[in-house]
Amino acid sequence: KQEVTQIPAALSVPEGENLVLNCSFTDSAIYNLQWFRQDPGKGLTSLLLIQSSQREQTSGRLNASLDKSSGRSTLYIAASQPGDSATYLCAVKGSWGKLQFGAGTQVVVTP
Amino acid sequence: GAGVSQTPSNKVTEKGKYVELRCDPISGHTALYWYRQSLGQGPEFLIYFQGTGAADDSGLPNDRFFAVRPEGSVSTLKIQRTERGDSAVYLCASSAGQTELYFGPGTRLTVT
Repeated sequence: KQEVTQIPAALSVPEGENLVLNCSFTDSAIYNLQWFRQDPGKGLTSLLLIQSSQREQTSGRLNASLDKSSGRSTLYIAASQPGDSATYLCAVKGSWGKLQFGAGTQVVVTP
Repeated sequence: GAGVSQTPSNKVTEKGKYVELRCDPISGHTALYWYRQSLGQGPEFLIYFQGTGAADDSGLPNDRFFAVRPEGSVSTLKIQRTERGDSAVYLCASSAGQTELYFGPGTRLTVT
């Protein structure tokens, strides 16, 4: 059974610092990995999708890496801003089709 | 274009009642997913449709939960004899095959 873990559970940084969010998964037979952002009381917004054959994906200040063999992904957010405050979730999709989520990392960026 | 929509946005019901939650996926998306999210937790998988059929319903917690997608587009999640433990945000997502998932805003269900 696939288990997805996100560490840390919560993170607070001053504005301008880089954010590093970690995601690990137990079964490396994944199809892809997706990072989401969730604001309080809202749905999930897709940030980045990494296919299993890729090592990283970038979008603006966001960069996500994937090391499938070691079961790890890292989301980097450069030069954090207060608007980056949210919960960040990673999710892996296996060949079985469903997306398995971690519990998320709650991020607070202080001005 | 229109994203995934869910209705109602909020539903309050009494213990023991029956509820239906609706999901309208993005037009043309063949895959549709239902998830449940409790406070402070990541979304928990319930069921996944590919077209009209349930490809994986292993996440449905018990036989009080049932979902349909009769025409391969709109889906309804049905909960019978609701319990207080069913209170959560129910999320729907759709995708065009094995691509990224797009989530709706969710339905907040409160069972009193």
